[in-house]
Amino acid sequence: KAGVTQTPRYLIKTRGQQVTLSCSPISGHRSVSWYQQTPGQGLQFLFEYFSETQRNKGNFPGRFSGRQFSNSRSEMNVSTLELGDSALYLCASSPGGGKAFFGQGTRLTVV
Amino acid sequence: GIQVEQSPPDLILQEGANSTLRCNFSDSVNNLQWFHQNPWGQLINLFYIPSGTKQNGRLSATTVATERYSLLYISSSQTTDSGVYFCAVESGSARQLTFGSGTQLTVLP
Repeated sequence: KAGVTQTPRYLIKTRGQQVTLSCSPISGHRSVSWYQQTPGQGLQFLFEYFSETQRNKGNFPGRFSGRQFSNSRSEMNVSTLELGDSALYLCASSPGGGKAFFGQGTRLTVV
Repeated sequence: GIQVEQSPPDLILQEGANSTLRCNFSDSVNNLQWFHQNPWGQLINLFYIPSGTKQNGRLSATTVATERYSLLYISSSQTTDSGVYFCAVESGSARQLTFGSGTQLTVLP
């Protein structure tokens, strides 16, 4: 089975722009979660989707949003980028909870 | 929310040495997982271990849920074991992992 695939791997954006990150889960997995990793805050939960429904959301501003498609692929969007949004964004998939498998992440730099 | 504390924050070993990493959590958990973050940033799942003991090669893990801690043992460490080890828990009805701050392991040749 192919692993979790995140695209793109690297991104450089300017303050004020928006960005969309993509995550393709392991085949058959219906749950996709997103996490932000920064040196100062560590790994923080953004949101979790299951069968196209957001089941849980972390403590992030409304500029962070996401969605899941019928094939379980997920996207997250960050609008009006700020310097503090520079981070490694990690996506995890699981069958419906339980053991989580992570992708290689998207490293976002906001300048 | 639940608190997850990992110790030690940093650990430096000579190749071949053994080590124990600890994870304490503040409330009952549905599941607990150990991850190794490789140099490219990917989190590799080492163990899914809400309770009991599991072994995988040179690595083993024990979770004592009633006492709210988990231990990750690395035996005969190798330089490729270097990296950051994270413990993460899921608690209550929240479908999210709460991560500890990690243990930075450096194995010297």
